[in-house]
Formats: sequence, structure tokens, C-alpha cells
Amino acid sequence: TQLLEQSPQFLSIQEGENLTVYCNSSSVFSSLQWYRQEPGEGPVLLVTVVTGGEVKKLKRLTFQFGDARKDSSLHITAAQPGDTGLYLCAGIETGANNLFFGTGTRLTVIP
Amino acid sequence: DVKVTQSSRYLVKRTGEKVFLECVQDMDHENMFWYRQDPGLGLRLIYFSYDVKMKEKGDIPEGYSVSREKKERFSLILESASTNQTSMYLCASRGGQGGSPLHFGNGTRLTVT
Repeated sequence: TQLLEQSPQFLSIQEGENLTVYCNSSSVFSSLQWYRQEPGEGPVLLVTVVTGGEVKKLKRLTFQFGDARKDSSLHITAAQPGDTGLYLCAGIETGANNLFFGTGTRLTVIP
Repeated sequence: DVKVTQSSRYLVKRTGEKVFLECVQDMDHENMFWYRQDPGLGLRLIYFSYDVKMKEKGDIPEGYSVSREKKERFSLILESASTNQTSMYLCASRGGQGGSPLHFGNGTRLTVT
């Protein structure tokens, strides 16, 4: 059973388009992180959200943590080829200490 | 910057061989982790360690063991490699608890034939 489901699994868009990636679970998380992984490298942390309803912005990326702390979304505005990569959400269940990773969304931005 | 170094980028081993994957971090982090990454499955935790000589099983420990003799080094061992262990293996370290970020190495792609 996968704790965190991401959708879509694959996404191919043109440069300049907007997109949203979703991370859903039936579990409640004390915090949730988003990572981006580029080919040949390990994942790198983009953001951590800890409060239900929290919204964080990182340039053209907007991250939202659901009110019930069970889900999250990543919205990219005016996607650039440099945004290409594998996006992974990862959550820590309340009372636990280890991250559970989502299934991943592979984004390709075509110039 | 934290640097996590995995000793090999690519490995090809035969079924039944004993395989060692090495990982070193340079930031004095207490916590170290081994994940495997497979398409459509995300990252799955194999083993982790909170301190020297301490180890804990993750979600998929079967067929693997680990060693942490020094704080900076965490080794993953495949006692008898099998084809279903062909995968990308990622090592990570973390300085604090829970919500602190994981710092990953660049991965070792292992092929077992």
C-alpha cells in the first residue's frame, strides 16, 4: 500500500504553460516536504510545509499544504525547461520520525 | 554545503555475489538512510541509522543488511545479490529530527545479472 500517491505520474508541457502536481494520502502528516531530482543526481529539498492550509512560494513555484494535513499541491507558473525533473513529495506521519515518499511526478518542459 | 558521497555510480554484479555499497557524509550528521528508487514506486526506505553501530529496519529490509562503524560512513550490504535487487540506490543523511531536510548522494545504479 502506497502511503502517498502523486498525480499525474508523467507530465509533458510546453514552455510557458502552468501546471499543478498533487500529493494525496489518507494519513495525517506533521510536515510535508517537496524534493526535485534531476537526471543523475539525488533529490534536493525545495520546501517544507508544516501548518494545515499553509502556502509557500519559491519564485514561480507555489506549494500548499491541505487544511487537514493529508494532501499537498505544487503549482508551477510559466514553466521553464529548467523545471524539468522528477518531483517527489514526502511526509512524516504524526508521531513518527521517518519520511514516506510519494510515487513521483516526472515533468518535462519542452522549449 | 553538505556532501554525501556514494562510492560508485554504476555497478554490475552477478546473481549470488556479495555487494557492498558505500556512503560517506561530511557534516557530522547523526542520521543516515538507504533508499532504493524504482519507477512508479518512489523512494522506499531499506535501513536507517541514528548513531554509530545502531541500525533500524525500514520498509523493505529483506535481502539487505547495513553497517555503521563510523559516524560518517554507512554501508549497505547485499549478502547474495538477486535480479530483483536491480535498482537505483540512494544514500541520505540528516542532521536533525523529523522535518529536517534529507541530503542525498547522487545514487548508485546497480544491475544484477
